[in-house]
Amino acid sequence: AQSVSQHNHHVILSEAASLELGCNYSYGGTVNLFWYVQYPGQHLQLLLKYFSGDPLVKGIKGFEAEFIKSKFSFNLRKPSVQWSDTAEYFCAVNAPTGYSTLTFGKGTMLLVSP
Amino acid sequence: DADVTQTPRNRITKTGKRIMLECSQTKGHDRMYWYRQDPGLGLRLIYYSFDVKDINKGEISDGYSVSRQAQAKFSLSLESAIPNQTALYFCATRGRGTEAFFGQGTRLTVV
Repeated sequence: AQSVSQHNHHVILSEAASLELGCNYSYGGTVNLFWYVQYPGQHLQLLLKYFSGDPLVKGIKGFEAEFIKSKFSFNLRKPSVQWSDTAEYFCAVNAPTGYSTLTFGKGTMLLVSP
Repeated sequence: DADVTQTPRNRITKTGKRIMLECSQTKGHDRMYWYRQDPGLGLRLIYYSFDVKDINKGEISDGYSVSRQAQAKFSLSLESAIPNQTALYFCATRGRGTEAFFGQGTRLTVV
């Protein structure tokens, strides 16, 4: 079975600071990887996804993530955060073969102070 | 219109009552999921369905049941609601080789 670990439960940053949120997964085979964002009071929206190819994936709103297979990691980065990035961020994984489910990490709450 | 629609958006119910949460989608996806979100616990899978005739339990299915009435509809029922089922519930759909698309969520409070 697959599992996802997000290292930080809460992160507080000032505007313009750089962001890196850690995500490690446990699964022995090929994976699809996702980062979702949930703004306060809203549903989950996709930030970016990795299926195959270039391990450096660019998403919306200036976010990017790097898939490092040897480390089973898919960390999310943004060079300069804004107050509007305040949200909860979820890493998720699923196996692309067969009928696998999408497994989420526990989430990281990011608070950006102006 | 939203691709994935959940009803109701908010619901307060009493302990012991039966309640149904509904989900419909216009994405044409075959896979549908029900998740529960609790603070600090992320999203946990309750039930999932890969097509109309396929229903599977997730990691926290006790106390819940589902019905896949059509490819586009997937309902979650709480047969006898209890206070620790108070949570935010999300329905999601996914096609083959795509990401998941989420509904707006149903905030359920059991008193």
